[in-house]
Amino acid sequence: QVQLQESGPGLVKPSETLSLTCAVSGHSISSGYYWGWIRQSPGKGLEWIVSMYHSGNTYYNPSLKSRVTISIDTSKNQLSLRLSSVTAADTAVYYCARQILLTAPDAFDIWGQGTVVTVSS
Amino acid sequence: QSALTQPASVSGSPGQSLTISCTGTSSDVGGYNYVSWYQQHPGKAPKLMIYDVSNRPSGVSNRFSGSKSGNTASLTISGLQAEDEGDYYCSSYTDSVTFWVFGGGTKVTVL
Repeated sequence: QVQLQESGPGLVKPSETLSLTCAVSGHSISSGYYWGWIRQSPGKGLEWIVSMYHSGNTYYNPSLKSRVTISIDTSKNQLSLRLSSVTAADTAVYYCARQILLTAPDAFDIWGQGTVVTVSS
Repeated sequence: QSALTQPASVSGSPGQSLTISCTGTSSDVGGYNYVSWYQQHPGKAPKLMIYDVSNRPSGVSNRFSGSKSGNTASLTISGLQAEDEGDYYCSSYTDSVTFWVFGGGTKVTVL
């Protein structure tokens, strides 16, 4: 059974960098899927942030690209997200998710439970 | 404002069918068959219900079906059950700047 588990600090100060980790179990992060991050602001809809293949091919949401760093650690079977220069607008539940790869990256079929991040001084 | 347009809410009685629409453009819904639908219960992560317009992942009830016509995709829930209450989001690949976009979500209420 594939499971994803996000972790990271729940509170980040404005202008600092948000760092999250997603531990993947039950499936090798190196095989056949993209891996991504999606967030959901309080009471709002879903916003895709970034998707990455273990080989390094990466797609970014242009509105966040300048502040986003994503990485995959195959030895630990985990992916990480860093979002710099955060503001209150970055307050959200952050989800990591597995992304189906057929002829191209496709739907997100497995999601973590999400981790709440609040940006506040 | 979300890139894909969904009704804010729909409702139906147990046993009935209801349909949620998701309207985009020729750059996303109308141009590609990478439309997916997600169900979200309060405080839970989204769950994939439909991918590639009309495909159901293993384990998803066949009461859920998807279709597309032009720039509008639809999710139909037949034989509505209380457990179907929740928020539903559509998503699509887009060849505009963003790659993947979501709708604003539709709250489904079972009367």
